[in-house]
Amino acid sequence: NAGVTQTPKFRILKIGQSMTLQCTQDMNHNYMYWYRQDPGMGLKLIYYSVGAGITDKGEVPNGYNVSRSTTEDFPLRLELAAPSQTSVYFCASSYWGQGADNSPLHFGNGTRLTVT
Amino acid sequence: ILNVEQSPQSLHVQEGDSTNFTCSFPSSNFYALHWYRWETAKSPEALFVMTLNGDEKKKGRISATLNTKEGYSYLYIKGSQPEDSATYLCAFLRSNTGKLIFGQGTTLQVKP
Repeated sequence: NAGVTQTPKFRILKIGQSMTLQCTQDMNHNYMYWYRQDPGMGLKLIYYSVGAGITDKGEVPNGYNVSRSTTEDFPLRLELAAPSQTSVYFCASSYWGQGADNSPLHFGNGTRLTVT
Repeated sequence: ILNVEQSPQSLHVQEGDSTNFTCSFPSSNFYALHWYRWETAKSPEALFVMTLNGDEKKKGRISATLNTKEGYSYLYIKGSQPEDSATYLCAFLRSNTGKLIFGQGTTLQVKP
C-alpha cells in the first residue's frame, strides 16, 4: 500500500520560477491537505480539499494554487517562487464521512523546497 | 482566525520522568481534536483523534484527555524513554468544515 506519495523529494528553485508539487493517494480518501513546516510554528495549512472539484484556502494560501480534478491527486502550484516559500511541504489525506468521522491524517514524506 | 496554542514550547526531562503538555483551542463549534507525534526528518504520525467532551485515550505509556467546554486537551507520557523524544502536535477541527489547524508543537527531549 503506497499511502500518500509526494514528488519531488527535493527541489531548488530560483526566484520567480514556477513549479508544481505533486501529491497522490491510493486510499480513496476524500479529504486532502497541503501544509508547510515553518520553524517553531509547527504546520501551517496552505489549502485543503473535501472532495474532487472542491478546494478551500487555509491559513497561508498566498502565492499558491491548487486543483482537485480527481479523488487521488491534489497538486500544489507555486507560480512565482519567493525566498519566503523555502520550506518543507507536507501533503496529507484522510477519510471523513458517516461512521468514520474520527479518521486521522495520513502524511506523505514531504518535499523540501529551497528558493534562492 | 483559529488559535491553537500548545505549551510548553519545549521540555527536557530525565528518562523515567512522567510529563504532560497542554493544547488550548477555541471552545465554540468543536468537532475534533487530534494528537500527532513527529520525529525529526520523518512525517507526523497520528496518536489520537478525540471527539467527545471527557474523552480519554491511551496508547501504551501515552494518554490524552479532552475538555471541549473549556477548550483544552492534555497529553501525558508516563515513564518517559529516550525514544519518546519528538515534537508532539495537536490539531483542532472546528465544526465539520475539514479545516484542520495545528498548534506550534511541544518538543520533548528525554535524556538517558
